[in-house]
Amino acid sequence: DAKTTQPPSMDCAEGRAANLPCNHSTISGNEYVYWYRQIHSQGPQYIIHGLKNNETNEMASLIITEDRKSSTLILPHATLRDTAVYYCIVRVEGGGNKLTFGTGTQLKVEL
Amino acid sequence: EAGVAQSPRYKIIEKRQSVAFWCNPISGHATLYWYQQILGQGPKLLIQFQNNGVVDDSQLPKDRFSAERLKGVDSTLKIQPAKLEDSAVYLCASSLRGIGSGELFFGEGSRLTVL
Repeated sequence: DAKTTQPPSMDCAEGRAANLPCNHSTISGNEYVYWYRQIHSQGPQYIIHGLKNNETNEMASLIITEDRKSSTLILPHATLRDTAVYYCIVRVEGGGNKLTFGTGTQLKVEL
Repeated sequence: EAGVAQSPRYKIIEKRQSVAFWCNPISGHATLYWYQQILGQGPKLLIQFQNNGVVDDSQLPKDRFSAERLKGVDSTLKIQPAKLEDSAVYLCASSLRGIGSGELFFGEGSRLTVL
């Protein structure tokens, strides 16, 4: 699976959009981009995933660049409860491929 | 819908002792995973099951760690004997779809401290 690069930490004001970047310049054509987050003392939680097109669900939006070498997770109106470590992972679907976590981005949402 | 259940939440043991962690996945989920998360790091996959069969245990330290999922439902992860470096949170996850597909649902984890 391709490796990803994320900033170690980010801050965001409550109510503002949080834009979390991820670089995956060596991604291959059949690898999906997954985002999980981990709130303190809890297990990771799935947020969203995509292949080529931008995706949106009730939690977030995922913007993937046309060359697929980077992506951005957007939390449109961040709240204090969004404070967590956010993991960007790339993975080929199926075939026994592992979900491999890096160290992620610690997002701190402040008043 | 009930989530992934894990127990115990916390365990403190001395080195060279043994410990076991239990996981009950979401009903109907065929795949089950055990991850180890050391403080300050992301979770690291130890073993993955499809029903009651092991799909990948390449990162499991087999000299001291063992895991089973005898009836294809709940699972147990055992460490014997424990070392100081085994201090970590042990996370169990399950998925409705096959290995390598779909989202994983994680439990809250079992925190192990080895003294």
